[in-house]
Amino acid sequence: EDQVTQSPEALRLQEGESSSLNCSYTVSGLRGLFWYRQDPGKGPEFLFTLYSAGEEKEKERLKATLTKKESFLHITAPKPEDSATYLCAVHPTSGTYKYIFGTGTRLKVLA
Amino acid sequence: NAGVTQTPKFRILKIGQSMTLQCAQDMNHNYMYWYRQDPGMGLKLIYYSVGAGITDKGEVPNGYNVSRSTTEDFPLRLELAAPSQTSVYFCASSYLTAPFTDTQYFGPGTRLTVL
Repeated sequence: EDQVTQSPEALRLQEGESSSLNCSYTVSGLRGLFWYRQDPGKGPEFLFTLYSAGEEKEKERLKATLTKKESFLHITAPKPEDSATYLCAVHPTSGTYKYIFGTGTRLKVLA
Repeated sequence: NAGVTQTPKFRILKIGQSMTLQCAQDMNHNYMYWYRQDPGMGLKLIYYSVGAGITDKGEVPNGYNVSRSTTEDFPLRLELAAPSQTSVYFCASSYLTAPFTDTQYFGPGTRLTVL
């Protein structure tokens, strides 16, 4: 069965303290893996798409990487405005319409 | 481009009432989706549509109905509201052509409470 697991559930960092969020997935085949940011009371906002193992993408303090079993979202020198829930989703090859979402990591960055 | 829009933002219903959640997109996307998001749970797919006139059930369709008469609009109908339908509802859209993938874009959500 296709599955996505995110860890940790919650993370508190001091401003400037770098860390990584994990997204482990089990799918028969992968079309793409997506990272989203979700602020309280808002819809998920797209960050990155990764298509194949070894791929990396960067945006400001965020860097996403992909292996055959997991993806990491690295946050370098975070700021309080990076506080949000980060969602991971996979689009497996089994079923054109189907995206599978993890439950997210709630990140809090303290000033 | 407004992207994906949803109305209303908030709604309180009494048990047994009905309502329609509106969703529209202006990106000419073929696929549209309705999800619900409950605390601590991932997004659960309620219904999806692959194009005008074509809809199908997702993981949690009971108590809901959809229609898609145009490419742009994908309303979600709740009949006989129950407390279990208290949730945040998100509409999303993407442009998919097999075997490729594409980003799903989300609306701002509708927070629904059933009392």
